[in-house]
Amino acid sequence: GAGVSQSPRYKVAKRGQDVALRCDPISGHVSLFWYQQALGQGPEFLTYFQNEAQLDKSGLPSDRFFAERPEGSVSTLKIQRTQQEDSAVYLCASSSKGYSNQPQHFGDGTRLSIL
Amino acid sequence: AQSVTQPDIHITVSEGASLELRCNYSYGATPYLFWYVQSPGQGLQLLLKYFSGDTLVQGIKGFEAEFKRSQSSFNLRKPSVHWSDAAEYFCAVAGNTGNQFYFGTGTSLTVIP
Repeated sequence: GAGVSQSPRYKVAKRGQDVALRCDPISGHVSLFWYQQALGQGPEFLTYFQNEAQLDKSGLPSDRFFAERPEGSVSTLKIQRTQQEDSAVYLCASSSKGYSNQPQHFGDGTRLSIL
Repeated sequence: AQSVTQPDIHITVSEGASLELRCNYSYGATPYLFWYVQSPGQGLQLLLKYFSGDTLVQGIKGFEAEFKRSQSSFNLRKPSVHWSDAAEYFCAVAGNTGNQFYFGTGTSLTVIP
């Protein structure tokens, strides 16, 4: 497709379950970002990939969070043993090059609710 | 460290009135600055960006923003607001030494008919 695609749009899980969120970036985009957006807040950086390499994961809040992009295109954000504080919208963005001055194109996000 | 402050949590304007949304940033060098808009349940859409050069930048949907280094500001303006402009607006800064974007907490815009 023409834009960044995220699935599922909504995910409800019980506390302690594992979840996997998918991001399909714009074709050919080198850079891929994951953000967490809590209610009423701006997006907060989680992690960054350049092609298949995860160059920055400093924003991941705990070792329960894991992201991968094995073939340099689709990415998956996995959260293990989910907690209520993980409830948020998870946004994926991609940009065409590996420079920070490139605008990021965002998907519509996955709204995760942990019961 | 980079940071962005959007002092106004919520703004209400009448349709047809002018709009200014404030953004202040903290960054040691020349920043890359962006404004994004987010409608409910949607991702963020880029309105405009500033990298260098002319400090007044034009964006989509009739928006413009002015970079003022002396004030560390990048305020967003629109001369005449339309009802469809009601949304959440985010200012963001990116440094030239990394790939992180830092977003403000957003300003929610309500447009009164």
